[in-house]
Amino acid sequence: DIVMTQSPDSLAVSLGERATINCKSTQSVLYSSNNKNYLAWYQQKPGQPPKLLIYWASTRESGVPDRFSGSGSGTDFTLTISSLQAEDVAVYYCQQYYTTPLTFGGGTKVDIK
Amino acid sequence: EVQLLESGGGLVQPGGSLRLSCTASGFTFSSYAMSWVRQAPGKGLEWVSTISGSGVSTYYADSVKVRFTISRDNSKNSLYLQMNSLRAEDTAIYYCAKGSGYNYDSGMDVWGQGTSVTVSS
Repeated sequence: DIVMTQSPDSLAVSLGERATINCKSTQSVLYSSNNKNYLAWYQQKPGQPPKLLIYWASTRESGVPDRFSGSGSGTDFTLTISSLQAEDVAVYYCQQYYTTPLTFGGGTKVDIK
Repeated sequence: EVQLLESGGGLVQPGGSLRLSCTASGFTFSSYAMSWVRQAPGKGLEWVSTISGSGVSTYYADSVKVRFTISRDNSKNSLYLQMNSLRAEDTAIYYCAKGSGYNYDSGMDVWGQGTSVTVSS
């Protein structure tokens, strides 16, 4: 199984500042035939279902603000919130869909400092 | 508007069975993979199962293999999860999620609100 490890477990950032979340997989999720990383990022606010933010590691889902960006390749990935807003308080998960079992990271809780 | 509505959750005794349903609207149901993802109280997300658009291919987490069965009825725009031999550790909110592609190898771009399953005597 591909294990997804997120860091940190939680972070507190001042409004308007940058938040960075890391995600590492135990094996590459880069498919060589199409050069795509099978990696998604989700946001989950309290009492709500998850929401897809980023897919193919760096493609923003329609309607997602451009302050959210994804980067990385192979086994190391990053979700960046360039200027944290109050509505960004949530838990963020990475997920690989390269192979089954599909696996999620443990989540990173983002709060306002 | 794309929507997913789960139903069928509830309280069940250990060893019991439950069938979850998810009704979809606003998209061509048969063109997309569908998944079940669960979240135990206060915990993270755990993938349970995925079914391809046609229903021919199914995939399961080891923790539910043999006990759970995923299926779909494309004529009814509906997804199901038959859960047998339920255990306390199956207690969770179960989310229905739409894949952005035909098989498991795509992100999950639409999620339902979830249905709660509690396994307890």
